[in-house]
Amino acid sequence: GDSVTQMEGPVTLSEEAFLTINCTYTATGYPSLFWYVQYPGEGLQLLLKATKADDKGSNKGFEATYRKETTSFHLEKGSVQVSDSAVYFCALSDGGGSNYKLTFGKGTLLTVNP
Amino acid sequence: NAGVTQTPKFQVLKTGQSMTLQCAQDMNHNSMYWYRQDPGMGLRLIYYSASEGTTDKGEVPNGYNVSRLNKREFSLRLESAAPSQTSVYFCASRMIGETQYFGPGTRLLVL
Repeated sequence: GDSVTQMEGPVTLSEEAFLTINCTYTATGYPSLFWYVQYPGEGLQLLLKATKADDKGSNKGFEATYRKETTSFHLEKGSVQVSDSAVYFCALSDGGGSNYKLTFGKGTLLTVNP
Repeated sequence: NAGVTQTPKFQVLKTGQSMTLQCAQDMNHNSMYWYRQDPGMGLRLIYYSASEGTTDKGEVPNGYNVSRLNKREFSLRLESAAPSQTSVYFCASRMIGETQYFGPGTRLLVL
């Protein structure tokens, strides 16, 4: 079945450092790929998405490129802020239409120190 | 526009007790989902409802039942709670062609 593997955390960075969180996937078809963010005590929010190979999703300074040849969707940000401290989930969509479901990675906790 | 709402926010149960987690969305979405989140496990799908009147099992359905009461509401029931069901439960909804929107979660502790 479909699966998502993302780098184990926790990740601790200083403010303005460069961030990379690795994500690779296994899927039988051509999934859409997502990054979700969960701030402390809250539900998940969509951060960015890409629906086909070579697409780049971006939002709030975060970027990720859908790489079909390496089955990867790594999350990057050039300069993190304390407010970026959260848990980040990589996910892929399985099926379309009414059978649409998301498969999530285990999450990566990011802590940014001032 | 409240989005996806969940009640209660927090609940403590004793083993064997039953309870229903409530979820409602005001975005006129067709599909609704229940997930559980456990440390180091990410989110796992329990049940989903592709449209009003239909429900299907997800990855971890054992010990749970669901009801899609109407287009807005999708409830999750634990008939006989077990400590293994201690978790954070998230409800989500989606319109076809769009991504999922998540509620704030219900923290459940089963003693």
